[in-house]
Amino acid sequence: DADVTQTPRNRITKTGKRIMLECSQTKGHDRMYWYRQDPGLGLQLIYYSFDVKDINKGEISDGYSVSRQAQAKFSLSLESAIPNQTALYFCATKSITGEQFFGPGTRLTVL
Amino acid sequence: GENVEQHPSTLSVQEGDSAVIKCTYSDSASNYFPWYKQELGKRPQLIIDIRSNVGEKKDQRIAVTLNKTAKHFSLHITETQPEDSAVYFCAASRSGGGNKLTFGTGTQLKVEL
Repeated sequence: DADVTQTPRNRITKTGKRIMLECSQTKGHDRMYWYRQDPGLGLQLIYYSFDVKDINKGEISDGYSVSRQAQAKFSLSLESAIPNQTALYFCATKSITGEQFFGPGTRLTVL
Repeated sequence: GENVEQHPSTLSVQEGDSAVIKCTYSDSASNYFPWYKQELGKRPQLIIDIRSNVGEKKDQRIAVTLNKTAKHFSLHITETQPEDSAVYFCAASRSGGGNKLTFGTGTQLKVEL
């Protein structure tokens, strides 16, 4: 089945470290998104991309960067991780009908 | 930008009762309103959506209503079952502008036996 996958699923790191979260999809969708989920705050958009090499900022892009080098891959980087970036991160794709399909999530802990 | 408010934040019902979750949105240009269900430790999954050209949509025990004038939409779950226990998120977006979804803060629904 076509799917959205994320690696790693869990990561513990230290303040100041560089971290990359990877997202891959086999759905053939052009549009991809990165969200952050914190308890009680819902899903907040970090960055999104319409196509290869297209990058757009979301609501909370500060402290994050992304790369879209291929249609199937969208990576999220934290250049210098800080404790308040501890959260659950979801990648998503979007079909032409508007439905978003989420990956399984990456639980990131910054000590 | 769009702002979506969702209420209540927690909802507890007895099995077999109905549950209603309400959302309001601020951008009158929003025209797509999905609802996502997130079970514990799982990814959000679309359960139903509605577009602004209709006022109601139903899928078995789940229905969504939309009032464009008042800028609010609601999720109705009838004959609730324990497996309906989850966090539910509403969202809104408009055509163009990246079709960005703005999510509500979620409702923790608990269906008690």
